[in-house]
Amino acid sequence: DSGVTQTPKHLITATGQRVTLRCSPRSGDLSVYWYQQSLDQGLQFLIQYYNGEERAKGNILERFSAQQFPDLHSELNLSSLELGDSALYFCASSPRDSQETQYFGPGTRLLVL
Amino acid sequence: QQQVKQSPQSLIVQKGGIPIINCAYENTAFDYFPWYQQFPGKGPALLIAIRPDVSEKKEGRFTISFNKSAKQFSLHIMDSQPGDSATYFCAARWEDKIIFGKGTRLHILP
Repeated sequence: DSGVTQTPKHLITATGQRVTLRCSPRSGDLSVYWYQQSLDQGLQFLIQYYNGEERAKGNILERFSAQQFPDLHSELNLSSLELGDSALYFCASSPRDSQETQYFGPGTRLLVL
Repeated sequence: QQQVKQSPQSLIVQKGGIPIINCAYENTAFDYFPWYQQFPGKGPALLIAIRPDVSEKKEGRFTISFNKSAKQFSLHIMDSQPGDSATYFCAARWEDKIIFGKGTRLHILP
């Protein structure tokens, strides 16, 4: 158990809908990262927050947004969902903003029908 | 090129053998190279990492060999066990982003 929690574990929704994925980092970790894992694209970095501020941005679509709250938990919002958004979404956390030693959560499996 | 090319895609090794997973990159600005292990239904877990100024790093049965001039690095697992069966990802950091290879599915036969 990495100490990172993600909810929900599974999510089934329809195209065009909007969903929110939630992540609680390990106690004391200030950085939160979001990743998308799919069979064809592999593991792709989406975005990093450090202590409430956006720190780095990867291949995140404009339909997706994220934020980190004062209690350091983070939410990833996915809107106008398409079939191709079906994937595993992982959150990771680390103590610092250096992207090193990331601890991954168990993931949220999203299925868009 | 902001890619990390990983091979092979899958690998089957007898227990006690030494599986080797290779990765190659083009971008000399990559400055940190971690390896992650992922079991089915779980998130990736950091296994071992190396910086480009070091040619080898060992942690337990896991060794990274790093060849800066060839822009290649590899993971060796000594005395492999069935419990090592998992998917392994190499990765590299560039401009605050971790870029992952496509992964290698490793199966260790008992």
